Amino acid sequence: GAVVSQHPSWVICKSGTSVKIECRSLDFQATTMFWYRQFPKQSLMLMATSNEGSKATYEQGVEKDKFLINHASLTLSTLTVTSAHPEDSSFYICSARVGGSDTQYFGPGTRLTVL
Amino acid sequence: SQQGEEDPQALSIQEGENATMNCSYKTSINNLQWYRQNSGRGLVHLILIRSNEREKHSGRLRVTLDTSKKSSSLLITASRAADTASYFCATDASGSARQLTFGSGTQLTVLP
Repeated sequence: GAVVSQHPSWVICKSGTSVKIECRSLDFQATTMFWYRQFPKQSLMLMATSNEGSKATYEQGVEKDKFLINHASLTLSTLTVTSAHPEDSSFYICSARVGGSDTQYFGPGTRLTVL
Repeated sequence: SQQGEEDPQALSIQEGENATMNCSYKTSINNLQWYRQNSGRGLVHLILIRSNEREKHSGRLRVTLDTSKKSSSLLITASRAADTASYFCATDASGSARQLTFGSGTQLTVLP
């Protein structure tokens, strides 16, 4: 089946630093990738949708200058949390979809802790 | 934003019993999907039901969809301790974006 990986699986950083999270589709080409954030004991909240080669579409309330998304190829999307603060601590999950498919394939998630 | 609600929020049952979770949503959909998430892990796709389908089975899973009531249910039969996880419904709404909107989730605990 389709596999999506994320790297790193967890990261701890100091407040004010930037953190980059990678999302890769390992055995398929992803037309669209999605980034979600999940706080403890809560559901997934969509942050942004990115299509290869174009700018990401951000959900209302998500700061595009703080959460930089780059979808440079059909197998890689990156999320950079700039100037991270403790309130950005969360579980970040990406997913990937092949054009025309109904199914999204989810990565294992990245746990970000900002001290 | 979240599409809708799931109930119950938490469910605790004995191994071997059936577990039923319900999901309600608000807008027209292409399909509805159910996912499982073990604590601190990613999501596992369980089953997808299209808007023109009313019931679907996969192993011990049975999903129903009532588009007139904008609701779905997930039944897990003969539950096992390994079924302990959070279960989320997600709707793929009509439209070109094909984004998934997740429900609030049900935490299922299956006691051995």
